Amino acid sequence: DQQVKQNSPSLSVQEGRISILNCDYTNSMFDYFLWYKKYPAEGPTFLISISSIKDKNEDGRFTVFLNKSAKHLSLHIVPSQPGDSAVYFCAASPWEAGNMLTFGGGTRLMVKP
Amino acid sequence: KAGVTQTPRYLIKTRGQQVTLSCSPISGHRSVSWYQQTPGQGLQFLFEYFSETQRNKGNFPGRFSGRQFSNSRSEMNVSTLELGDSALYLCASSLETGEAEAFFGQGTRLTVV
Repeated sequence: DQQVKQNSPSLSVQEGRISILNCDYTNSMFDYFLWYKKYPAEGPTFLISISSIKDKNEDGRFTVFLNKSAKHLSLHIVPSQPGDSAVYFCAASPWEAGNMLTFGGGTRLMVKP
Repeated sequence: KAGVTQTPRYLIKTRGQQVTLSCSPISGHRSVSWYQQTPGQGLQFLFEYFSETQRNKGNFPGRFSGRQFSNSRSEMNVSTLELGDSALYLCASSLETGEAEAFFGQGTRLTVV
């Protein structure tokens, strides 16, 4: 039972345009969400997070949107750069469950010059 | 500030052996979590330690165990290795437990032959 799903295994975007990565979850106990970027043979790199009390969080080119009623979150990257090409994972954690993250399956983003 | 350090980076073991992996968290971080990444199952939570106590445990058999020392360094142990234990094992550290960004090490690639 996949509690966190990233339905698009891959996404290709032109440099300078917007990249939108999506993530759906089923567990209503999740209330803290994170996005990570990962290169092969390396550990995930933390990008941005959002708590369920917010519906938007921005950090530079990265913005995460949370729609609790739809159990959906998305990561927007504007403008996309070739260096953004990597696998992106969304992760979720329930309140007071410590740092027990449940990860989605990942979306491979390719930004073309 | 040094990141999360995992040792060794690569390991080859034989079925039936046991293995110990080490993780040094970011200085000042008190929470250490372990994850297993495989092509088939993705990133899965193993366990979290906070202040030398196991706070959470994922759905893994008892062959997987861990501990945390007073300096927050952590080790995980896998006994009676099986071929299916071949994976990238990732350690993540957080300042506190609960709603804290987790920062990952580069991982230990374990191959069981």
